[in-house]
Amino acid sequence: QAVVTQEPSLTVSPGGTVTLTCGSSTGTVTSGHYAYWFQQKPGQAPRTLIYDTSNKNSWTPARFSGSLLGGKAALTLSGAQPEDEAEYYCLLTSGRGVVFGGGTKLTVL
Amino acid sequence: EVQLVESGGGLIQPGGSLRLSCAGSGFTLTSYWMDWVRQAPGKGLVWVARIKSDGTSTSYADSFQGRFTISRDSAKNTLYLQMNSLRAEDTAVYYCASLPPGAWGQGTLVSVSS
Repeated sequence: QAVVTQEPSLTVSPGGTVTLTCGSSTGTVTSGHYAYWFQQKPGQAPRTLIYDTSNKNSWTPARFSGSLLGGKAALTLSGAQPEDEAEYYCLLTSGRGVVFGGGTKLTVL
Repeated sequence: EVQLVESGGGLIQPGGSLRLSCAGSGFTLTSYWMDWVRQAPGKGLVWVARIKSDGTSTSYADSFQGRFTISRDSAKNTLYLQMNSLRAEDTAVYYCASLPPGAWGQGTLVSVSS
């Protein structure tokens, strides 16, 4: 199965913009990977922010958006809030199943 | 309100078996692809298994093929994960999830230790 890579950690200033990426060892990430993005805070279950590359759930704050960027899936946070500090995981689907990335620890500082 | 509630976790000795359950409320499991995902203490999320919405197909991460079995009971609206030959490294919180649309349970802790 593919290895999915994410930045281990990123820092963003309050009100700032940051982009997290999700790459695949098999090559370019496309819409056919149906990329997901999840947010997880300590002691809590993950929460789905983005599905199928760019679709938002009803509970997803408008400041989060998903896209394909430079051959990877991307999660952009515009106007970071202190409550956005969390671990973020991406997920890619392939014909052989599903693979999570290792997670990005996002600090809002 | 959509809810997924896992149960069945606990302390089990190495080599033992355990069956986890995931009950849906406000949510018909048979309408969606359902997944099991686990998270070892202090580690990231790991996909375990998936069952297709019509129940005709299952898939597993290589690490769990042959040891874990995903299934469901439509009448009980419940998803299961049968885990055999458990090892210390299987210690984790196990979540059920539906991807899409993105619903998650709260998780159940499995501890494998003598």
